Amino acid sequence: DAKTTQPNSMESNEEEPVHLPCNHSTISGTDYIHWYRQLPSQGPEYVIHGLTSNVNNRMASLAIAEDRKSSTLILHRATLRDAAVYYCILRDSQTFNDYKLSFGAGTTVTVRA
Amino acid sequence: DVKVTQSSRYLVKRTGEKVFLECVQDMDHENMFWYRQDPGLGLRLIYFSYDVKMKEKGDIPEGYSVSREKKERFSLILESASTNQTSMYLCASSPPLPSGRQFFGPGTRLTVL
Repeated sequence: DAKTTQPNSMESNEEEPVHLPCNHSTISGTDYIHWYRQLPSQGPEYVIHGLTSNVNNRMASLAIAEDRKSSTLILHRATLRDAAVYYCILRDSQTFNDYKLSFGAGTTVTVRA
Repeated sequence: DVKVTQSSRYLVKRTGEKVFLECVQDMDHENMFWYRQDPGLGLRLIYFSYDVKMKEKGDIPEGYSVSREKKERFSLILESASTNQTSMYLCASSPPLPSGRQFFGPGTRLTVL
């Protein structure tokens, strides 16, 4: 399975942008880059996903490097409610067996008021 | 918005008891999943179901069984609870590929004494 590497933790001030890096040097051509987050005492929540082009939604933006070996999740204006563990995972959405999600340790984001 | 609900947020049971965890989703998703999440071990798939009465074992099915009699409901059964089944249990549902996006419930924290 292709693996990802994320920093253990990041801190930010409220209303400032947060850039969360993810390295995936062994990514294959059919792997999508997915991001989930998990707030304290809650189930994981989908954030965003992409294949090659940068993606935006109401929660965040995903910037994907041209060689696809790394990506960055961008929270444009962090709020206290964005404090969570953020998981970057690769999913080969062409294969049935890849239905399951496997989270690593993720990046714990702390937001200071 | 998709709603995945789980029958209990917190549950305390005794060793040897039969335990039922219920999960209901309201988005008519074909696929439903049961995971457990433990510190240091991440998210692990117990069982998943891709249709009514259909099920597949995940990575750690031992000691568990599942039931899916209706499309919206997926139950996890601990036939004889043991202390090593103390964990956070997460239910999820998803539409078919290629989306693969999974929607999680809030989780059930089960303690087996």
